[in-house]
Amino acid sequence: AQSVTQLDSQVPVFEEAPVELRCNYSSSVSVYLFWYVQYPNQGLQLLLKYLSGSTLVKGINGFEAEFNKSQTSFHLRKPSVHISDTAEYFCAVISNDYKLSFGAGTTVTVRA
Amino acid sequence: KAGVTQTPRYLIKTRGQQVTLSCSPISGHRSVSWYQQTPGQGLQFLFEYFSETQRNKGNFPGRFSGRQFSNSRSEMNVSTLELGDSALYLCASSSSGGSPLHFGNGTRLTVT
Repeated sequence: AQSVTQLDSQVPVFEEAPVELRCNYSSSVSVYLFWYVQYPNQGLQLLLKYLSGSTLVKGINGFEAEFNKSQTSFHLRKPSVHISDTAEYFCAVISNDYKLSFGAGTTVTVRA
Repeated sequence: KAGVTQTPRYLIKTRGQQVTLSCSPISGHRSVSWYQQTPGQGLQFLFEYFSETQRNKGNFPGRFSGRQFSNSRSEMNVSTLELGDSALYLCASSSSGGSPLHFGNGTRLTVT
């Protein structure tokens, strides 16, 4: 079975500064990787996904992530954040059992 | 294309009662998954249905059950409610295994 570890539970950041959210996974088989964002009182929205191909994946709202197989990581980055990026971010992995496993989440708070 | 619709948005029940939550997936999606989200436990997988068959099940007691209809709509039932069942219940749909999940806004269940 696969598991997902998000290394930071809280990330405070100033507006227009870069942000990186770290995610490591453990799996003995090929995986599909995702990042989701959750705004208050809402469900989860897909930011980006890695299924195969290029290891640098671009998503919505200026986010991107890099799949690193040797380090089993899938870190999420944004070069310049906005106040509206304040939300909780979840890294997730699907393996061949079709079950999506989530990390514990990282709360990003953007300050002016 | 309409998104995943969950009803109701909010529910208040008392201990010992039972509750049924409803989920309408995106048109054409045959897989529906259910998740429980709490501050302490994060996002936990309940079960997944594909073409009316339960394909995966998480580690929840038998009080939690679900079903999927021929039109892919799904219901989740919790019997003999406990205070610890208070949570945000999220439904997600996808076109097939390995495809990204699309989430609804959830049903907020409060058990008093």
